[in-house]
Amino acid sequence: GAGVSQSPSNKVTEKGKDVELRCDPISGHTALYWYRQSLGQGLEFLIYFQGNSAPDKSGLPSDRFSAERTGGSVSTLTIQRTQQEDSAVYLCASSLYGGGTDTQYFGPGTRLTVL
Amino acid sequence: DAKTTQPPSMDCAEGRAANLPCNHSTISGNEYVYWYRQIHSQGPQYIIHGLKNNETNEMASLIITEDRKSSTLILPHATLRDTAVYYCIVRVGSGGSNYKLTFGKGTLLTVNP
Repeated sequence: GAGVSQSPSNKVTEKGKDVELRCDPISGHTALYWYRQSLGQGLEFLIYFQGNSAPDKSGLPSDRFSAERTGGSVSTLTIQRTQQEDSAVYLCASSLYGGGTDTQYFGPGTRLTVL
Repeated sequence: DAKTTQPPSMDCAEGRAANLPCNHSTISGNEYVYWYRQIHSQGPQYIIHGLKNNETNEMASLIITEDRKSSTLILPHATLRDTAVYYCIVRVGSGGSNYKLTFGKGTLLTVNP
C-alpha cells in the first residue's frame, strides 16, 4: 500500500520568505509526527498530532514554526520568515494509534535550503 | 529510554548475512528494541522490533539475548541496496512522551560487491 508522502521533495528559498511543507500520512493512521534532521545530526522532534489535535508542540523551535492537520489526514508545516538555520531535511511520520510502541513510518522528507 | 551502543561501521559481502550488534545493558522490562535504517538521502525505514522473543519478518531477523542486554539484527542475504546507517533504539512500552524517536549515531553498513 501507499506509504507516507511528502511534498515538495526539495525546496530552495530566500531568507525571510515563508514556506509550506506538506505531509500525506498512511491512510487510517491517526497519529502524525514532524521531525527535522540537520546535516550529520540525529532526529529532532517537532510536533505530534493525534487526529487534528496537537497534544505536543514542544519541539517547535520558535513561533515562526506552526503546523496544522485537517480531516485527520494531511498535515502542513509552515515556517515563516525563514532563516538559514532552518535549512534541514523535514521528515514526517505516521502511526496507527500514537503512543505506546506504535511503529512510526517515515516519508522521504523535504530538503529545505534557505539561502 | 535506555541508551544503546553500536559499532560505527561494518562491512559485508553481497549475498552474505549481515549481523549488526547492539548493546542496551540498561534496558528496562517494559522497553522494546527497535531497528530502523536510513539509506543516504532518504527517510528512516522501519525494519523490525521486539521485546523478549526473537522476531523475523520479510526484511530481517532480530535476536535478543535472554538477559535482554544486547541484540543482533540479521539481514540474511545482504544486497548492495542494504548499504545504509542502521539505528538500534529502545522505546518504553507506554506513557510519557515515548513517541519521540531519537536516533544515536548508528552503524554504517557497507555491502560490497
